Formats: sequence, C-alpha cells, structure tokens
Amino acid sequence: KNEVEQSPQNLTAQEGEFITINCSYSVGISALHWLQQHPGGGIVSLFMLSSGKKKHGRLIATINIQEKHSSLHITASHPRDSAVYICAVFYNTDKLIFGTGTRLQVFP
Amino acid sequence: ETGVTQSPTHLIKTRGQQVTLRCSSQSGHNTVSWYQQALGQGPQFIFQYYREEENGRGNFPPRFSGLQFPNYSSELNVNALELDDSALYLCASSLTSGGPEQFFGPGTRLTVL
Repeated sequence: KNEVEQSPQNLTAQEGEFITINCSYSVGISALHWLQQHPGGGIVSLFMLSSGKKKHGRLIATINIQEKHSSLHITASHPRDSAVYICAVFYNTDKLIFGTGTRLQVFP
Repeated sequence: ETGVTQSPTHLIKTRGQQVTLRCSSQSGHNTVSWYQQALGQGPQFIFQYYREEENGRGNFPPRFSGLQFPNYSSELNVNALELDDSALYLCASSLTSGGPEQFFGPGTRLTVL
C-alpha cells in the first residue's frame, strides 16, 4: 500500500464543472503539497498546507490532519486546468513522498 | 518560473553507459533534492544534498550518485545505465532554513535504449 493515495486516478470534466481531487496519507506529516504537472514534465507548486484551508483564484485546498486527508477543489474548471495533479507529503524531514497523481482533462 | 533550471531537457543513452544530469538551483537555496519519475508514476526520492554533503537517500543503488557545488548547481550521475532508468529526472531546491517548500526544475527526460 502506498503511503500517499490519490483518487480518482483519472478525471474528465466539462468546462465549468466543479472538480475535487482527494489525497489520503498514512504517515504523520509536517506539511502537504499540491503540485501541478503539465505534459512535458515541469512541476509547479500550487499549495503547501499544514492545517485548514487555502485559496488561490479558482483553486481551494483543504487538509484534515486528524483524518490524514486533503482535498484539492477547482471551481469553474477550464481546459487550461488539464494537467496531472500530485499530492506530496513531508514527514520527519523535508523529503517528499508523492502520490501517483490524478490526470485531469477538461473539455470545452 | 521557479528559478530552477535543468540540462539537458532530453537525453538518449544506451544500456551500460554513464550519464550526468545538471541542475541549477535558486540563489540562496542550499538544499537540492533529486527525484526519478517513471512514466505514469509519481516522483520517487533519490537523494538530497545540503551544503555539498549527501543528506538522505531513497531506495536507489550506489550507481546513482550526486554532487552539489558552492554556486548552487548540482549533478546527478548514473553509471551502468539500465533500461529501467528511463524516466523524467527532477531536481528541486529549497531554502537553507529547511522549510519544506521546494521549487522544481522542468526535468530531464532520459531514455535508455
């Protein structure tokens, strides 16, 4: 069993839909990252969370430390949101453990 | 733009060869981590360097080695390449303070034939 599990693995949506990607982890962590990876490989950090909720534009990330669970929400999705979204956690030190990612495709 | 660059962007090698991948971190970032991302998988931690010393290693054999230089650049060396080494190799830098926020480079895609 992976220490970081994401669901769903693949997600398709119509433009404008509200999207939720979930991340569960089994280790005690100091922080959790949501990352975006576009085709070609470059990774961009969207959020770093250790508690509560963060919002940036149409993106919202929440984390529940007790339940070891985080969600990434995209409101009013757009085709340019199409990417792989990866959850990654820090535990003990500043080394990341990554989930396998959720591939999102948003169609016009 | 994260300020982290990697070279080359793509590379093709044959089995048994050796390869050196390069990363240039943001100025002031004394910690660099290297990750291997196989197709369809999440990145896997290879090792981390802090102030030119190895500071932790994942489950990778000794033929994966690294160097970090005082000018915030670093290298990942892989000897005796195997077909399974084909992957995207990512480096990420972070601040000396040890905060968990990491800034990723665009990656080097290595193909081993």
